[in-house]
Amino acid sequence: KNEVEQSPQNLTAQEGEFITINCSYSVGISALHWLQQHPGGGIVSLFMLSSGKKKHGRLIATINIQEKHSSLHITASHPRDSAVYICAVDKTSGSRLTFGEGTQLTVNP
Amino acid sequence: SAVISQKPSRDICQRGTSLTIQCQVDSQVTMMFWYRQQPGQSLTLIATANQGSEATYESGFVIDKFPISRPNLTFSTLTVSNMSPEDSSIYLCSATYPGGSGNTIYFGEGSWLTVV
Repeated sequence: KNEVEQSPQNLTAQEGEFITINCSYSVGISALHWLQQHPGGGIVSLFMLSSGKKKHGRLIATINIQEKHSSLHITASHPRDSAVYICAVDKTSGSRLTFGEGTQLTVNP
Repeated sequence: SAVISQKPSRDICQRGTSLTIQCQVDSQVTMMFWYRQQPGQSLTLIATANQGSEATYESGFVIDKFPISRPNLTFSTLTVSNMSPEDSSIYLCSATYPGGSGNTIYFGEGSWLTVV
């Protein structure tokens, strides 16, 4: 069993829909990262969380340390949000990350 | 923030040859890492690049196959040695920059290697 599990693996939505991607982990962590990877391969860090909730524009990330669960929400989704979203955990405070398998999001116009 | 430049961005390599990927960061970062992403899979950490000393490799990765250098705080190289088709992957450089609430992580654009 992977230490970091994401769901769903694939998600197709219509423009404007509210989207949720989930991440569960089975190890102790110092931080959790949500990353976005576009087809070209480049990766952008969206959030780093150690507790609570963060918001940036239409993106919201939450984490429940007791339940070892995090969610990434996208409000008013747009086709440009289409990408792979990856959850990654830092187990050691040393930024050596363990990654989930990623969620392929496609937002149709 | 930090900007990470990797080169080459893409290459096609012959079996048995070696290729060196360069990673340049535009500011002094604390830690640098090399990751591999095989086709259709998520990222796997290869090693932590340590300034002025040998890299720290993760299980399953060895220095003879993936020699890494980091001569200063802003530059690192990864060599993929004696390549086989199984080494066809995206190789990504990553760096952390200390922020107010912990380390912020940045990634390069990746180097797409195809071994034929």
